[in-house]
Amino acid sequence: QIMLTQQAESLWISPGERVSITCRASQSLLYTDGKHYLSWYQQRPGQTTKALIYHASVRTDGVPTRFIGSGSGTEFTLSIEHVQPEDFAIYYCLQTLKSPWTFGGGTKLELK
Amino acid sequence: EVQLQESGPGLVKPSQSLSLTCSVTGYSITSNYWGWIRKFPGNKMEWMGYISYSGSTSYNPSLKSRISITRDTSKNQFFLQLNSVTTEDTATYYCARNTGDYWGQGVMVTVSS
Repeated sequence: QIMLTQQAESLWISPGERVSITCRASQSLLYTDGKHYLSWYQQRPGQTTKALIYHASVRTDGVPTRFIGSGSGTEFTLSIEHVQPEDFAIYYCLQTLKSPWTFGGGTKLELK
Repeated sequence: EVQLQESGPGLVKPSQSLSLTCSVTGYSITSNYWGWIRKFPGNKMEWMGYISYSGSTSYNPSLKSRISITRDTSKNQFFLQLNSVTTEDTATYYCARNTGDYWGQGVMVTVSS
């Protein structure tokens, strides 16, 4: 199965800062259609899990523009510009290229 | 608006079966794919499997011998059954539209005697 590694379990930042969360795949997530099957999700206590980014860089409807997905091949990044108080949460990457779908270990954004 | 809601017992004894229901409103489960995901203590997430609009299923091989996902289209519900549970199956269980855009709130299930 494809392994996804999110190196940082936690990142401590202050509101207004920019942060980048990385996700590394054990093999390329590029499909023959030219799209990368890598998505990003946000989990906050008491909230339903929120899809942020799909195909590595496409923002889901309604997601603020401060969330930016980038990367290709096996290396992907979720960047959050000008972090807001509501952004302190756990972030997961997910690959849906090959079954079984697999998640990264999660990165928790914590208030510095 | 599409909404999903998990329900089921919060405590299951080891060796028994875990059974959960996902009730979907705002969208028919005869369209698209519908899945189960779980989150273990310590935050590791695992995709468990899905059921398609036609009723076909796909499961994580790590669970293949123990898992079953079924549905009741008349009630717009789909179900998870996990057999022979152990304490390792203690987790929060989520149902979601397989495109990942809609999730339930999750239900915490503890396996303990």
